[in-house]
Amino acid sequence: NAGVTQTPKFQVLKTGQSMTLQCAQDMNHNSMYWYRQDPGMGLRLIYYSASEGTTDKGEVPNGYNVSRLNKREFSLRLESAAPSQTSVYFCASEDSTMGQFFGPGTRLTVL
Amino acid sequence: GEDVEQSLFLSVREGDSSVINCTYTDSSSTYLYWYKQEPGAGLQLLTYIFSNMDMKQDQRLTVLLNKKDKHLSLRIADTQTGDSAIYFCAESKGGSYIPTFGRGTSLIVHP
Repeated sequence: NAGVTQTPKFQVLKTGQSMTLQCAQDMNHNSMYWYRQDPGMGLRLIYYSASEGTTDKGEVPNGYNVSRLNKREFSLRLESAAPSQTSVYFCASEDSTMGQFFGPGTRLTVL
Repeated sequence: GEDVEQSLFLSVREGDSSVINCTYTDSSSTYLYWYKQEPGAGLQLLTYIFSNMDMKQDQRLTVLLNKKDKHLSLRIADTQTGDSAIYFCAESKGGSYIPTFGRGTSLIVHP
């Protein structure tokens, strides 16, 4: 039981490049989330998926897209990376009573 | 929108008790959570309490909930240097509702 896994752990991009952050969970949770964490800003929700086949915007969706490929996997795509997207990205899946389970994060730097 | 507030920093001496406080605004919150984030890692669920409870104890951790004042606290007894981390408070109405996180309290434990 691996919980929530994320790849890659680290990434450096140049402005304008694209990339996809991968996330998978093996807990059979319906809901999955993508957050970014910046110093002094706490966690900000980018997108979430309440169930397979549905996705919704969070607080800061601009510049990102998501795909809920199946119940296990929820990916986050940056089509044209900008320095303002330098951040630590966390994926989480949610049990309806026990709360969210977080992955280890992806540390992204955009030059 | 709904809000969860925490103080940003708390400094304690090793062996003392730590009390981290949180206030929330949504009176219909059903679940209240405490997460711990160690440096370079994702958030880890520490404990949670249902809104119909006043207190929950789990080894060195005690959670107190004052629903009237919408105040949640986390007490760590005999604080150790390994408890140094950021602690996040979160609330949720459960079901399809998105949880709301505070910005986190950095706990610094001095030897």
